[in-house]
Amino acid sequence: DTGVSQDPRHKITKRGQNVTFRCDPISEHNRLYWYRQTLGQGPEFLTYFQNEAQLEKSRLLSDRFSAERPKGSFSTLEIQRTEQGDSAMYLCASSLAGPGVAQYFGPGTRLTVL
Amino acid sequence: SQQGEEDPQALSIQEGENATMNCSYKTSINNLQWYRQNSGRGLVHLILIRSNEREKHSGRLRVTLDTSKKSSSLLITASRAADTASYFCATDLDSNYQLIWGAGTKLIIKP
Repeated sequence: DTGVSQDPRHKITKRGQNVTFRCDPISEHNRLYWYRQTLGQGPEFLTYFQNEAQLEKSRLLSDRFSAERPKGSFSTLEIQRTEQGDSAMYLCASSLAGPGVAQYFGPGTRLTVL
Repeated sequence: SQQGEEDPQALSIQEGENATMNCSYKTSINNLQWYRQNSGRGLVHLILIRSNEREKHSGRLRVTLDTSKKSSSLLITASRAADTASYFCATDLDSNYQLIWGAGTKLIIKP
């Protein structure tokens, strides 16, 4: 399967700990997106990369959140000093460049902060 | 902030019936996309309709777009149990990278 993969699928952590998630996009896609989704809601945009460049960050992304895509392939999302409000599903998607393209999503990483 | 609002929030129908979901949005768009999400899973792209298109078909799916009313509808014909999922509309604004999402319609198909 050459779809978008995310690791881990589930993460349980204690408040105050740091966590890191990984996303491997579809190989020929140069755009990569991170979203957060809470129960009963649609995804909320967090940040976006074109190749290795991080081009946009949402106001939702506090300074405890950082994302990288060092070689323009996989990406990591790190949350420092986790809070209970960070509990959510973190979704990664990738797409080709250009307007009006479909985004292809990974299965998500479900984070629970105790 | 959420751009789209789906209506209804939840819909329960018998297998074989048609299901219609609506999406309204607030600002001008380049295109509108519909996605499906099975419980606890990632989202799957269903169909994209551009702002200059009025109707699009894909298999049992029919999407309409009315830019004057800032609304779209998704029709699933001859529903199946496997169509049970949440359906989201997402709009691509003037910037071409960020999708703005609604809260979704939860569709339940009763066998």
